[in-house]
Amino acid sequence: AQRVTQPEKLLSVFKGAPVELKCNYSYSGSPELFWYVQYSRQRLQLLLRHISRESIKGFTADLNKGETSFHLKKPFAQEEDSAMYYCALVSSGTYKYIFGTGTRLKVLA
Amino acid sequence: DAGITQSPRHKVTETGTPVTLRCHQTENHRYMYWYRQDPGHGLRLIHYSYGVKDTDKGEVSDGYSVSRSKTEDFLLTLESATSSQTSVYFCAISGTNNEQFFGPGTRLTVL
Repeated sequence: AQRVTQPEKLLSVFKGAPVELKCNYSYSGSPELFWYVQYSRQRLQLLLRHISRESIKGFTADLNKGETSFHLKKPFAQEEDSAMYYCALVSSGTYKYIFGTGTRLKVLA
Repeated sequence: DAGITQSPRHKVTETGTPVTLRCHQTENHRYMYWYRQDPGHGLRLIHYSYGVKDTDKGEVSDGYSVSRSKTEDFLLTLESATSSQTSVYFCAISGTNNEQFFGPGTRLTVL
């Protein structure tokens, strides 16, 4: 079955500390993976997609097919990074999206 | 924000009444989606559309129906609202590069 797992509901770190939000997936085939972010009182927006291999707001994510993971990382957390983060994959052919349950990141001063 | 709006933004209704939520886009995108967002469950797909009059079920479609009579509008109907359908509903559209753009959400309370 296709699934996206985010094992942490809440992750609290201090400002300046490294951050890693975990995402594991189950998918037969080559997945297309994304990270979306939802800041307080705002709509969800795309943060990263694995195809583009870019860094946005200091965040990076590498697709590891062997471990079926797509963890989101940032070397130095900022208070403005506090938000809800969702990992998602899209099923090729059907264009159905599967989202994880989300991880709330709190960056403490 | 991409040209995607939802109406109403907030609604309170009673159990057993029908409710229709509207999603409107100005981007001419083919794919449109309805999700519900609940604590502990994240975003779950209700229904999606891949063209006018072309729709398919998501993982939590029971109790919901959709219609898409024109490209820009995607309607979600709760045929007989129940308290378990109290949630925040998000509409999304998807372009050719698979990036999803989300609407602002509709907060629905079923008493």
